[in-house]
Amino acid sequence: QSVLTQPPSVSGAPGQTVTISCTGSSSNIGAGYDVQWYQQLPGRAPKLLIYGNSKWPSGVPDRFSASKSGSSASLAITGLQAEDEADYYCQSYDSSLSDYWVFGGGTKLTVL
Amino acid sequence: QVQLQESGPGLLKPSETLSLTCIVSGGSISSSRYFWGWIRQPPGKGLEWIAIIYYSGSTYYNPSLKSRVTISGDTSKNQFSLKLNSVTAADTAVYYCGRLCQGYKYGDNWFDPWGQGTLVTVSS
Repeated sequence: QSVLTQPPSVSGAPGQTVTISCTGSSSNIGAGYDVQWYQQLPGRAPKLLIYGNSKWPSGVPDRFSASKSGSSASLAITGLQAEDEADYYCQSYDSSLSDYWVFGGGTKLTVL
Repeated sequence: QVQLQESGPGLLKPSETLSLTCIVSGGSISSSRYFWGWIRQPPGKGLEWIAIIYYSGSTYYNPSLKSRVTISGDTSKNQFSLKLNSVTAADTAVYYCGRLCQGYKYGDNWFDPWGQGTLVTVSS
């Protein structure tokens, strides 16, 4: 069981907007630690999508956006495209287990 | 542009030791700006952080694996390595190495970039 909780799957049609939630606790997201998001295309390594709660690395389109509130965070993908079909993971830091970087269980995005 | 490449045997027998190396190009593991680490992903499952090393030699281990794991760095070769003892089938996974970047405060870190990953299978 992952420290950060994500829905196993979400889906949407091309052009639509989908959101993926990431729920933590007072020892990680709620403690003020930043949330990061990664995209993992089928058969590929994860790729950084968002860092520092809402910042874009170079080259990531602004169709991807993220926010954080309290002990939760969310990733929004607007103008859904077929190539967005992938697994998405959130990541943060947990201070309860002595120097511990944590991931969510991942969310499979299906573009209908 | 920093690139990372994992290398190591793809097949191990139970009780053997897993040894992987991550070769870093385009950047130095001696930089104080970054940490370097290993993450794994069992088939069809999520990501799990394994171990992290800092240029100073400081190491950090996932508590669930700490008793079996060692991470080390070789600045002369600009690479870092992972050893996992007494492997079982549960250690079958794709193993990734990655650079851990630092934010403004302790704990605000992100992995970027990642190596392409190497599949390690544990089977008798």
